[in-house]
Amino acid sequence: GAGVSQSPSNKVTEKGKDVELRCDPISGHTALYWYRQRLGQGLEFLIYFQGNSAPDKSGLPSDRFSAERTGESVSTLTIQRTQQEDSAVYLCASSLNRGPNTEAFFGQGTRLTVV
Amino acid sequence: GENVEQHPSTLSVQEGDSAVIKCTYSDSASNYFPWYKQELGKRPQLIIDIRSNVGEKKDQRIAVTLNKTAKHFSLHITETQPEDSAVYFCAAPKGGYSTLTFGKGTMLLVSP
Repeated sequence: GAGVSQSPSNKVTEKGKDVELRCDPISGHTALYWYRQRLGQGLEFLIYFQGNSAPDKSGLPSDRFSAERTGESVSTLTIQRTQQEDSAVYLCASSLNRGPNTEAFFGQGTRLTVV
Repeated sequence: GENVEQHPSTLSVQEGDSAVIKCTYSDSASNYFPWYKQELGKRPQLIIDIRSNVGEKKDQRIAVTLNKTAKHFSLHITETQPEDSAVYFCAAPKGGYSTLTFGKGTMLLVSP
């Protein structure tokens, strides 16, 4: 498919375990975003990658959260020592981000439940 | 950084009425203002956007207006239908084309 793909779609983990979430952006999209959406809440910015520039990590809530992206390809969001408050849907989005082409396309999200 | 405020948080209207959602932003360099619709259990999807060189844009029953001086923009939905029920998010970038900051969302409920 041509859309943003995230895996897994659902993840249940025990408190204290590490989890890794994956995002495959649309091919050719230089910008990639991670957002967190708690139940019934808005979109909380986590991190932004733009090409080979240094990522904007200003939204990461703690040092337990980290993300990587190699070039303009796959990104992984890692949460270490998960806590119950980490339970949320984690949404990835990508965009061309060149000139006027800045529409962000979202993946279907990963629903993380920490028990 | 960019601060985006969105109001109201919930909006209930009767089918056929109009709905207006308003957002303000803080970064005067922002020049792109998208609106996303998120239906229950689904991903957010872009429904309309406006760039800073225009003051209004329409697409059938939806329109967006922008006031750069006052740093606010609004979404207008006319002749609302039950399928318009969803959460709507506004967004603005941190200066130019970069990180999108989203408003907290407006839950629109359209009653038949």
